[in-house]
Amino acid sequence: DTAVSQTPKYLVTQMGNDKSIKCEQNLGHDTMYWYKQDSKKFLKIMFSYNNKELIINETVPNRFSPKSPDKAHLNLHINSLELGDSAVYFCASSQQTSATRTDTQYFGPGTRLTVL
Amino acid sequence: GDSVTQMEGPVTLSEEAFLTINCTYTATGYPSLFWYVQYPGEGLQLLLKATKADDKGSNKGFEATYRKETTSFHLEKGSVQVSDSAVYFCALSGGDYKLSFGAGTTVTVRA
Repeated sequence: DTAVSQTPKYLVTQMGNDKSIKCEQNLGHDTMYWYKQDSKKFLKIMFSYNNKELIINETVPNRFSPKSPDKAHLNLHINSLELGDSAVYFCASSQQTSATRTDTQYFGPGTRLTVL
Repeated sequence: GDSVTQMEGPVTLSEEAFLTINCTYTATGYPSLFWYVQYPGEGLQLLLKATKADDKGSNKGFEATYRKETTSFHLEKGSVQVSDSAVYFCALSGGDYKLSFGAGTTVTVRA
């Protein structure tokens, strides 16, 4: 069983389009995340959600809108795609709560987005 | 804010060589420290972790010790294999619902 899954694995689209990436975890975790990995492999947090509530929005443009319909899902919708949005997007989850200090994050396989 | 500085690569080694990847951090409080590995074309996998000073994390022959006095968490393996070729990321969590990553070190092991 895949612990953290993402769809699609690859996404190729034109500039200006709107696209979504879906993420699901079956670990029973309370917290989910989106990270962006650029062409130099650098990883940076975009969003964190705890119990469906937004905890972190790390200065991400408004064109990016995460949505968490339930604790097991965190989807990422991107409007008006730009060339600079091309990257690999990773979803992750952990059992971190306000009561626990830190917890291991488990990552999905990534979605490679290419904007033409 | 929290930050991680990681040895820049790429690193190329022969099989059975000793591998060290340096990692130092800046953080307030007492963060947890992690090493993640990304094999070609795959996502990130947790390699090992340590949650307090002097803890040693180990997995698959890799080790790292949480050194508070030097704010370091260097990764070591005594004898690498071709299958260890990957990108290695040092990361820290300060309890603020995010991981701060180093820049990643690409390791290539040649037979």
